[in-house]
Amino acid sequence: GESVGLHLPTLSVQEGDNSIINCAYSNSASDYFIWYKQESGKGPQFIIDIRSNMDKRQGQRVTVLLNKTVKHLSLQIAATQPGDSAVYFCADLNQAGTALIFGKGTTLSVSS
Amino acid sequence: NAGVMQNPRHLVRRRGQEARLRCSPMKGHSHVYWYRQLPEEGLKFMVYLQKENIIDESGMPKERFSAEFPKEGPSILRIQQVVRGDSAAYFCASSRGREKLFFGSGTQLSVL
Repeated sequence: GESVGLHLPTLSVQEGDNSIINCAYSNSASDYFIWYKQESGKGPQFIIDIRSNMDKRQGQRVTVLLNKTVKHLSLQIAATQPGDSAVYFCADLNQAGTALIFGKGTTLSVSS
Repeated sequence: NAGVMQNPRHLVRRRGQEARLRCSPMKGHSHVYWYRQLPEEGLKFMVYLQKENIIDESGMPKERFSAEFPKEGPSILRIQQVVRGDSAAYFCASSRGREKLFFGSGTQLSVL
């Protein structure tokens, strides 16, 4: 299928820790993946994306890792801050390549 | 630069009424997407449009729902004869292509 999903619905970390949010996808033909952050009452906000010809991509405090062998995607957040508390979604393109399909999300809670 | 603009922010309708949700894409973006989000769930793709064309409506319910993106003006998502099950947050996103989407703040539809 073309669904994406996340391993854990919730993740709680201490401020300053590194966070790892995981995502498994089922469509082996997927060639584009993207992570969004959604704060309460707001629309999803782009974090980082990666194409299937890459294994890793880094942004500011975030890193996305792609393991095509096991069809696994992860988002790493360094030095997690309270402002990082949100729901995180991974997504990939549907088989037609016309739309992003989202997983259910992981709620990240950061305590001080 | 203004982001994706959605209005109204909140919309209350009684069962049987019509709901019209508006979306103005970011400047320079010709691709518009509509997604629906139920509480505690991910975003469900509804429809993908370009100017005056529906490209993919595979996520749209067969009845009562329609979408348009005219040559001039915003994209409109129209729900006729609303029912309580239509209550949800409806997000619009725009892009230059089919990948990195930029989302609006959403319209929260409540059906009484």
